[in-house]
Amino acid sequence: NAGVMQNPRHLVRRRGQEARLRCSPMKGHSHVYWYRQLPEEGLKFMVYLQKENIIDESGMPKERFSAEFPKEGPSILRIQQVVRGDSAAYFCASSPLGTGKGQETQYFGPGTRLLVL
Amino acid sequence: DAKTTQPNSMESNEEEPVHLPCNHSTISGTDYIHWYRQLPSQGPEYVIHGLTSNVNNRMASLAIAEDRKSSTLILHRATLRDAAVYYCILRPFSSNTGKLIFGQGTTLQVKP
Repeated sequence: NAGVMQNPRHLVRRRGQEARLRCSPMKGHSHVYWYRQLPEEGLKFMVYLQKENIIDESGMPKERFSAEFPKEGPSILRIQQVVRGDSAAYFCASSPLGTGKGQETQYFGPGTRLLVL
Repeated sequence: DAKTTQPNSMESNEEEPVHLPCNHSTISGTDYIHWYRQLPSQGPEYVIHGLTSNVNNRMASLAIAEDRKSSTLILHRATLRDAAVYYCILRPFSSNTGKLIFGQGTTLQVKP
């Protein structure tokens, strides 16, 4: 059973370009979470999605960032007009159960390292 | 959300036991205690979780104080591969979101 997959693993963008980060959850998992880890900082929650629905986006920056998890295909985190401050590691996690389950375990992918020049 | 407090860093010698403490004095009765770790340049990985009773799995043991205001993650024989940042996280039994709230964690250094 393949784990959570993220691609690309490394992404270099120039200021003003768009970045698209992809996440394929574990088989059978319909809940996806995105986290960001800025250099020398801790992991911060960004957004929680179920298939075709955004459940919690309380950690998403108000502008330029969006996320989707379509019925078919991977979850996408999209960053428009990137700035140097967006340089970070972006991790995706998936789980089978979702909210309301204190025992739920999240399975993380290897991350995408975004570098904005 | 209830908060956790962990030491910033700890050191251990290889093949010796390691006890990683976590204080959570404001824990509620339905909060589960979870531990994750993040190895260098990798995503976090689940280690163990518990509610009231001590727990064991192939990776570690979790000892929970009787009043639940603190817990200890126990690595029985540390290896070099256990060098990582260890996060103690509280998860409510029922909440509106499944998000994990990571603190600064404890950076464990294992010496050969």
